[in-house]
Amino acid sequence: GAVVSQHPSRVICKSGTSVKIECRSLDFQATTMFWYRQFPKQSLMLMATSNEGSKATYEQGVEKDKFLINHASLTLSTLTVTSAHPEDSSFYICSATDGPYEQYFGPGTRLTVT
Amino acid sequence: SQKIEQNSEALNIQEGKTATLTCNYTNYSPAYLQWYRQDPGRGPVFLLLIRENEKEKRKERLKVTFDTTLKQSLFHITASQPADSATYLCALDLSGSGGYQKVTFGTGTKLQVIP
Repeated sequence: GAVVSQHPSRVICKSGTSVKIECRSLDFQATTMFWYRQFPKQSLMLMATSNEGSKATYEQGVEKDKFLINHASLTLSTLTVTSAHPEDSSFYICSATDGPYEQYFGPGTRLTVT
Repeated sequence: SQKIEQNSEALNIQEGKTATLTCNYTNYSPAYLQWYRQDPGRGPVFLLLIRENEKEKRKERLKVTFDTTLKQSLFHITASQPADSATYLCALDLSGSGGYQKVTFGTGTKLQVIP
């Protein structure tokens, strides 16, 4: 149980275009979903916290107009990287939770902006 | 600001030995601490949670200790196997309330178990 999927697993896009990443909880309803970014050999950096039906809470330094988060249902959250640039290339990971402690992570999405 | 330190150097140990990983933190008093495993190119997988009032927690070959005075957690894998090779992350409760999921992750320690 507690499976989280992400799609796509890898994406390459041209600079200036937008990319949407989906995060789904497959066998449970997620009260909260989180979006992280991870650069090589660095830790996971929390970008935003998302609750179903409400606006996402962004961490300091994360541009909400650039990283659009939509949490339309208890099983789906999407992250759209708008007007992507090479510096946005990273490993994006979502997590979902149905309780106070344990987070269930998706497999991640490798974004490369050329 | 809060700081979480894990040994950035890889830890190489012989199969069958006990691996011990360290997580130190400063400037905070977390209500709980978590350990995760992350394989290359994958998302982390939750392993254990230990609360501030618990000294030790065990799960199969895993053991976690939490010393709030030293501001340190130790993560042990006994009878280590090559399949245990991965990066291990510690994560701390940021809210202080103990009931909210927002945590801050350390940079992780890469463990390599040599057959």
